[in-house]
Amino acid sequence: QKEVEQDPGPLSVPEGAIVSLNCTYSNSAFQYFMWYRQYSRKGPELLMYTYSSGNKEDGRFTAQVDKSSKYISLFIRDSQPSDSATYLCARPLDTGRRALTFGSGTRLQVQP
Amino acid sequence: DGGITQSPKYLFRKEGQNVTLSCEQNLNHDAMYWYRQDPGQGLRLIYYSQIVNDFQKGDIAEGYSVSREKKESFPLTVTSAQKNPTAFYLCASSGSTGAGSNQPQHFGDGTRLSIL
Repeated sequence: QKEVEQDPGPLSVPEGAIVSLNCTYSNSAFQYFMWYRQYSRKGPELLMYTYSSGNKEDGRFTAQVDKSSKYISLFIRDSQPSDSATYLCARPLDTGRRALTFGSGTRLQVQP
Repeated sequence: DGGITQSPKYLFRKEGQNVTLSCEQNLNHDAMYWYRQDPGQGLRLIYYSQIVNDFQKGDIAEGYSVSREKKESFPLTVTSAQKNPTAFYLCASSGSTGAGSNQPQHFGDGTRLSIL
């Protein structure tokens, strides 16, 4: 079983829609999760990171962690064509190492 | 402008040839990482280095080698022993190596390696 599971999509939505991107994780030892956005032929860029349970909001983006169900989510409000990218969730590989383990990524297409 | 520079952007390898991918950062980060990304897959860790002159194998280190002689530089060599090297290679760095401290990683724009 992968450490972080993610639906690969593609997910296609109309402009202005609310987008929900989800990951599940198997190891409860880590409480720190990240969302990266990756445009085609580019490196991932950090979008948001969140500790523990609850929500973190940044503009149109909200990251949510549900420890009880081992579920992490990224919500995008008022989605724009410029949001079209692959979204990767990640968490630390293990304690004492800074490396990350990633989900396979969800490809999002926002139609104008 | 601080960041991570990977070069070249595209690289072609012949059979039996070793090739070296460059990664330089001017973020003053202690830790650096190499990941491999295949189509439809997430990033997989090849090697990482938390301080100069020290590095550790990741999940898929076979057929790769690295060095960390300077804080700013972490080159990756894809050797002829790597039988399936075609992939997108990403270098990253982060600012802390202390246990319990979670500095996010910053990525370069990758090198796409193909076999001739």
